[in-house]
Amino acid sequence: GAGVSQSPRYKVTKRGQDVALRCDPISGHVSLYWYRQALGQGPEFLTYFNYEAQQDKSGLPNDRFSAERPEGSISTLTIQRTEQRDSAMYRCASSLVATAGELFFGEGSRLTVL
Amino acid sequence: SQKIEQNSEALNIQEGKTATLTCNYTNYSPAYLQWYRQDPGRGPVFLLLIRENEKEKRKERLKVTFDTTLKQSLFHITASQPADSATYLCALDPANQAGTALIFGKGTTLSVSS
Repeated sequence: GAGVSQSPRYKVTKRGQDVALRCDPISGHVSLYWYRQALGQGPEFLTYFNYEAQQDKSGLPNDRFSAERPEGSISTLTIQRTEQRDSAMYRCASSLVATAGELFFGEGSRLTVL
Repeated sequence: SQKIEQNSEALNIQEGKTATLTCNYTNYSPAYLQWYRQDPGRGPVFLLLIRENEKEKRKERLKVTFDTTLKQSLFHITASQPADSATYLCALDPANQAGTALIFGKGTTLSVSS
């Protein structure tokens, strides 16, 4: 497709389960970003990649969160042993260039942990 | 501590007036700043980028200024229309380094009444 695609759009899981959120960026985009957005707040940075290299993971809340982009295209954000506080909208964005590029956001994955 | 503050959570104006939104930052030295629009339930959409050596940038009815001395950006929508109603987010490059991820403010929700 032409835009950033995220799946699943909605995920409901029980506390303690692992979840994997997928992001398919715009073809040819160098950088891929993961953000988390709570209602009424701006996107909160989690991590980002240039090609397949993870450049910064300082925003990941704890070691239950991890991300990969093994071939420099599709990325997966994994949350292990989910907790209720992980419930949020997880947004992926990509940009054509690594610096000062505009971000193209996907529609997000809404995670609810019961 | 480092902060990005957008002047208010909500701004209500009449159609035809100019909307002015403020973004202030503390303890950052960004090389550029971006503004995004976000509609309910959707991902943010890029509007404008302004670099530290640019004082002002325009795009149609939009104007952005960037004052690195005041550490402030102003975002103006002239001749506002009800269709301009949305949340507007400012975002900056936090480290003034190549390949760093954008940090977003909380957003200001603009309502334009007819």
